[in-house]
Amino acid sequence: EAQVTQNPRYLITVTGKKLTVTCSQNMNHEYMSWYRQDPGLGLRQIYYSMNVEVTDKGDVPEGYKVSRKEKRNFPLILESPSPNQTSLYFCASSLMGANTEAFFGQGTRLTVV
Amino acid sequence: DQQVKQNSPSLSVQEGRISILNCDYTNSMFDYFLWYKKYPAEGPTFLISISSIKDKNEDGRFTVFLNKSAKHLSLHIVPSQPGDSAVYFCAASLAFGNEKLTFGTGTRLTIIP
Repeated sequence: EAQVTQNPRYLITVTGKKLTVTCSQNMNHEYMSWYRQDPGLGLRQIYYSMNVEVTDKGDVPEGYKVSRKEKRNFPLILESPSPNQTSLYFCASSLMGANTEAFFGQGTRLTVV
Repeated sequence: DQQVKQNSPSLSVQEGRISILNCDYTNSMFDYFLWYKKYPAEGPTFLISISSIKDKNEDGRFTVFLNKSAKHLSLHIVPSQPGDSAVYFCAASLAFGNEKLTFGTGTRLTIIP
């Protein structure tokens, strides 16, 4: 089954403790991206990747890192999480780029206390 | 600086009637627009898209209209069904080569049986 898998689905952590949210797709898609969803702000793009070893900033990259060492995986890293990073995070992949249909993961609810 | 705006946070429509969801944008360089639908506790799913060289695109009950001079697009759902109750996001991307994707804040559509 074609899918985008994020883990974990829920995470509560403390300020400053490094964490990684994993994202994997099985559709051989070139483009992967991360978003955060906050009330009243909609979805905002954090980082995106056009291919292996090619990543670029979205609209809200501060405080986040990503890597794309393999085509199928695109982890989101929070080196020193802060409470303002409490949010619902989505990973997505699409065949070619931002213009093509994106498939989203189920989301990761992160709470930083 | 919200470049893609959905000014109606919510909309209620009677089952069987037409639902019209609106989206405005400020960046005239956007050249591709997409609509996504999101149910609670799920990731967004792609609905329909339109290129800036067109002014209309249809897919079954869903039609997207683009008015470039007004920097406005709208999604029409006819006839509306209870399963259409969801949050709808419009999104915009720039020309090929800049693969950022910018989402609006979303409109919650409720279909009244």
